Amino acid sequence: EAGVAQSPRYKIIEKRQSVAFWCNPISGHATLYWYQQILGQGPKLLIQFQNNGVVDDSQLPKDRFSAERLKGVDSTLKIQPAKLEDSAVYLCATGGGHYEQYFGPGTRLTVT
Amino acid sequence: GDSVTQMEGPVTLSEEAFLTINCTYTATGYPSLFWYVQYPGEGLQLLLKATKADDKGSNKGFEATYRKETTSFHLEKGSVQVSDSAVYFCALSEGTSGSRLTFGEGTQLTVNP
Repeated sequence: EAGVAQSPRYKIIEKRQSVAFWCNPISGHATLYWYQQILGQGPKLLIQFQNNGVVDDSQLPKDRFSAERLKGVDSTLKIQPAKLEDSAVYLCATGGGHYEQYFGPGTRLTVT
Repeated sequence: GDSVTQMEGPVTLSEEAFLTINCTYTATGYPSLFWYVQYPGEGLQLLLKATKADDKGSNKGFEATYRKETTSFHLEKGSVQVSDSAVYFCALSEGTSGSRLTFGEGTQLTVNP
């Protein structure tokens, strides 16, 4: 089966600009996660969707980050405006109802 | 809140050496425990898991046992190969299947021939 797809793979922006990331999950996977991985740290959950509803967004900085999952399939994560500390790899993962989460390759964001 | 602590890295070993990467956790309930691996240039992959106390997860020669009494889930392999060079993450998940993962900071393993 095809894996989790993410785009773009790399993005460089200036602070205060906006940016969006896209994730296409494994077909049939109802649960979708966005994680932020800062260099040298483990991934941290930003938001979790079950189908197109939000399950957990307690660690999402809602003043600048937003995410949506239309029709319970693809998802986008947006940052507006970006700060220097947002430089990180943004990982999308999906789960099919069991314990394993399947991760995409990530989008590496550099904010200058 | 939940947290995972991994041994400080990086770890450098010679091929065929014994590997241990320590992992301890703090959780309010009875979490499931995981080891994920990230090979260079690739995404995170599940290596093994254990969902209840005393369970042993194993895969590709790696093993880890869920020790509730010491809140630990140490990763071991008897004989490492160059191809095992990667970053290893310990993680936990509270609640039901599908709950969020809380990760440790990762341990970089380099295996030299």
